[in-house]
Amino acid sequence: EIVLTQSPGTLSLSPGERATLSCRASQSVSSSYLAWYQQKPGQAPRLLIYGASSRATGIPDRFSGSGSGTDFTLTISRLEPEDFAVYYCQQYGSSRGTFGQGTKLEIK
Amino acid sequence: QVQLQESGPGLVKPSETLSLTCTVSGYSISSGYYWGWIRQPPGKGLEWIGSIYHSGSTYYNPSLKSRVTISVDTSKNQFSLKLSSVTAADTAVYYCARAITMVRCFDYWGQGTLVTVSS
Repeated sequence: EIVLTQSPGTLSLSPGERATLSCRASQSVSSSYLAWYQQKPGQAPRLLIYGASSRATGIPDRFSGSGSGTDFTLTISRLEPEDFAVYYCQQYGSSRGTFGQGTKLEIK
Repeated sequence: QVQLQESGPGLVKPSETLSLTCTVSGYSISSGYYWGWIRQPPGKGLEWIGSIYHSGSTYYNPSLKSRVTISVDTSKNQFSLKLSSVTAADTAVYYCARAITMVRCFDYWGQGTLVTVSS
């Protein structure tokens, strides 16, 4: 089973700043089958990135994903007020489709 | 616009079977894609349960496989989840969703429904 560890657990930043979120896998993620989701309180997750770096439909270009193997990053270039939420990574290439524990992005 | 809506009992007794249905609108299940279930215990992270194709082909999370059955009814444009022998650990918000790629990566989600396991 692939375990995903996200860091930091909580990230405190101000609107306009750059956010860098990390997702580390316990073993290599095949073919970069790595996704990122955003979840706001009381809402379903929203797909941001799949294939490690492909933006989903309608996602602003301030969101970008990178990485391969065991280390992946979600970058938000300039934070907007609506970006403060919890972010999850997911590997979807292996049988369990595991998610990370989440990073909470909060307003400083 | 693809929309998904979960329905089913919000309270299930321990040892019984949890049953939920997802109704899809704005897209015909028969046209393609895998359709899946994901759950989230209150205040915790996400867990993929399983996914189904319109042909009936299924993939399940190995950790839940012995208790899960997912089925599809293309005539109603619905798919369903059954989880047997539930315990309090199965209390969660259950989401249905469409898999954009590789069975387990989801682009359209329902709003979710809370199912509580309690006597």
